[in-house]
Order: sequence, then structure tokens, then C-alpha cells
Amino acid sequence: DAGITQSPRHKVTETGTPVTLRCHQTENHRYMYWYRQDPGHGLRLIHYSYGVKDTDKGEVSDGYSVSRSKTEDFLLTLESATSSQTSVYFCAIRYRETYEQYFGPGTRLTVT
Amino acid sequence: QQQVKQSPQSLIVQKGGISIINCAYENTAFDYFPWYQQFPGKGPALLIAIRPDVSEKKEGRFTISFNKSAKQFSLHIMDSQPGDSATYFCAALNTGNQFYFGTGTSLTVIP
Repeated sequence: DAGITQSPRHKVTETGTPVTLRCHQTENHRYMYWYRQDPGHGLRLIHYSYGVKDTDKGEVSDGYSVSRSKTEDFLLTLESATSSQTSVYFCAIRYRETYEQYFGPGTRLTVT
Repeated sequence: QQQVKQSPQSLIVQKGGISIINCAYENTAFDYFPWYQQFPGKGPALLIAIRPDVSEKKEGRFTISFNKSAKQFSLHIMDSQPGDSATYFCAALNTGNQFYFGTGTSLTVIP
């Protein structure tokens, strides 16, 4: 599992509230990713990071922000949650040389 | 605009048969093509991957065939087993460090 944990694993929140999801890795990987998974859409990249304080947008970044102040932690924030952000969120790391990507166990977020 | 198109959406195969899932892409900047297997309630797991400089890669019962000129790649699962029943995703990595995924294929292997 490449030492990836996500917290919380499940969360129910109300529309308009801020939400932060945490991804933690123990193997000092430079590249980290946040995805959302929805039926019929596969996995879609939200944001990714290529180092501490270095982040970039993915294809579905609107409504999300990220921060990476330490190598091991990559935070995903929904500033004001909407029902369209109900989804399963996966964090992943990527090995720099081989490109291999490994996923965390996921966070199921429900926005009511 | 779907960068990676995957088919079929679902597939039913008899035990011992060959499962074939296809993907196509347009962006020539892609340079790494992985396949993932996902069981319900779990994160996707890397199954096998290929770089565009080779046409085929085999690992056990799983084979990727890659056709660079046609911009297509496929996953073949030989001697399919009920334990292979899962959702499979193809993906492609571009030179900008972004992965694009297909929409997934739900495979059911009937005993």
C-alpha cells in the first residue's frame, strides 16, 4: 500500500461547510495526487503536488484547494462544500523514476 | 473531453476464457500507460504498465498490447478466474505529470 493513509475514511457534512481531507505517506515520495471517483467518470485528477509547496491543478480543480507544507502530508480542502462534491476521494503517490502510482484506501464524502 | 476512451463498459467471461479490454488515446504526449484493478470499497491497485517503446508486456496471466501508430492499448487476461471479477481502469500519464483515466470496465467471470 506504499504507506498511504487517508483521514477521515468517511465524512458526512452539510452544504456550505468547509472540509479538509488528509493524505499521509511514510515513504518520502515527491509526487502526490488527489482524485475523485464518480460512477461513469472513472478517476479524475483534482490537484497534484511535485514537492513541498509545489502544486498544480488537475482537470476538475474548481472548488478545491490543496496544501503541502511537509513531504508526508497532502491536504485537500473544500472551502464551501456542495452536493456535487459528494464522491469518493483517493490520494495517490507516484514513484519518480518508474512512474508507478499507488493509491490510498479512499475517503467517502457525502455533502447533504 | 475524454482523453482516454475505454471499452467495453462491462464484460462477462466464462472461467478459463480470455478477457479483453481496450483503450484509445489522442494525446501523443502520453508516455506511460498503466492498468489498475479495483475491488468494491478499495482503492485502485496497479496491475501492469507499459511504456510506448515496446509493443507488448506480459506479467503472469496479464498482458498489455500497445499499438503506438493507432494510439490504442489493451489488457488481456488469460485463463480468467472468478477472483478476477473487478473493475479495471486504463490510464495514461503525460509529460506534465498528470494521469488521465478511462471510465472503467466491470468484469464478471462466471464459474
